[in-house]
Amino acid sequence: AQSVTQPDIHITVSEGASLELRCNYSYGATPYLFWYVQSPGQGLQLLLKYFSGDTLVQGIKGFEAEFKRSQSSFNLRKPSVHWSDAAEYFCAVGAGNNNDMRFGAGTRLTVKP
Amino acid sequence: DGGITQSPKYLFRKEGQNVTLSCEQNLNHDAMYWYRQDPGQGLRLIYYSQIVNDFQKGDIAEGYSVSREKKESFPLTVTSAQKNPTAFYLCASSFDRAGTGELFFGEGSRLTVL
Repeated sequence: AQSVTQPDIHITVSEGASLELRCNYSYGATPYLFWYVQSPGQGLQLLLKYFSGDTLVQGIKGFEAEFKRSQSSFNLRKPSVHWSDAAEYFCAVGAGNNNDMRFGAGTRLTVKP
Repeated sequence: DGGITQSPKYLFRKEGQNVTLSCEQNLNHDAMYWYRQDPGQGLRLIYYSQIVNDFQKGDIAEGYSVSREKKESFPLTVTSAQKNPTAFYLCASSFDRAGTGELFFGEGSRLTVL
């Protein structure tokens, strides 16, 4: 079965600084990869997803992620963080059916003024 | 606007009581899901349903029950058999079960057992 690891529980960055959130997955075939964002007390919202094709995918709110098969990674990046980006971010890996999706434990992002 | 509505947002329960969390969607999605979220553990799948009158257990179904009598509704009952029910519960839906589909989430229900 597939699994996903988010090594960083909590990250703090200054507003305007660049951001990279790490995600490593384990799956034997080409995975379906997702990044979701959750504001406090809210549900999750999809930022971006990767199934095939170009390994650099663009998402909403200025986020992008790069799929690196050799490193089993799907890191999320943003060139300049805004205070409104403070939230919890979840990486997820799927194997073809949504009921097989596995979520990471999440990375909480704090943005310093 | 289309979306998923969960209620109540906060719920308190005494030990030994069953509680039912509501989930309604007007997205015309076939598939619906219930997840449990605990700090530091991400989301874990409790139950899912792909069509009306059919549902399947997820990874942590023990102590929970569901029904899917209407396409729009997928209520979750947390029974007294659930040993550690205090958690944040999220309902989600997708157009179908295909893994390429986006999951749309409700705003969650926080259950606290007193």
